[in-house]
Amino acid sequence: QVQLVQSGAEVKKPGASVKVSCKTSGYTFTNYYMHWVRQAPGQGLEWMGWINPNSGVTNYTQKFQDRVTMTRDTSINSAYMELTSLRFDDTALYYCVRGIYSGSYYAVGYWGQGTLVTVSS
Amino acid sequence: QSALTQPASVSGSPGQSITISCIGTSSDVGSYNLVTWFQQHPGKAPKLMIYEVSKRPSGVSDRFSGSKSANTASLTISGLQTEDEAEYYCCSYAGSRNLVFGGGTKLTVL
Repeated sequence: QVQLVQSGAEVKKPGASVKVSCKTSGYTFTNYYMHWVRQAPGQGLEWMGWINPNSGVTNYTQKFQDRVTMTRDTSINSAYMELTSLRFDDTALYYCVRGIYSGSYYAVGYWGQGTLVTVSS
Repeated sequence: QSALTQPASVSGSPGQSITISCIGTSSDVGSYNLVTWFQQHPGKAPKLMIYEVSKRPSGVSDRFSGSKSANTASLTISGLQTEDEAEYYCCSYAGSRNLVFGGGTKLTVL
């Protein structure tokens, strides 16, 4: 079965960076786009962007364009999301979410358990 | 792109039916049959309930159904059960390789 297991909670100071990992199993990693979505405490879901694990090509929403980097390591079927210049309002649960369709970024369906990133001085 | 518009809350009694709307634009919901719906219980990750407007993944109850008219997608839950109480989010492909989510709707089963 499809499994996405994310790294543990992080506490960071303003201005620092955080890198969240997402280890996958149960499917061919390079066949499905990986998206990242965040959810601030008590708030809704916010789409951040995706990476094509096959090619490494990325696409980020404009809001995070300057601060986010999505990468992957095909040798260990893992995806990563790094967010820099952290601010207090970056405190959120960060999810990796696998695409529904092979080779397509049109929709997401399978969620990791989430990684809580807390930005605190 | 702006978030899709959902009602903040809806409620219903066990056995009743409710419908949650998801209002987009001609650039997202109106242009693509690529609307998905997710259910999220407190402290849990979202769960896929509907994809491609009206398709149900295996294992999802047929009490959940989806539809779309113009720029508005809808999720209908029939025969409400207490375990349906959760937050529901719509999501649509928005063109230009982007996705957009709705703000979420809290369903209360009275």
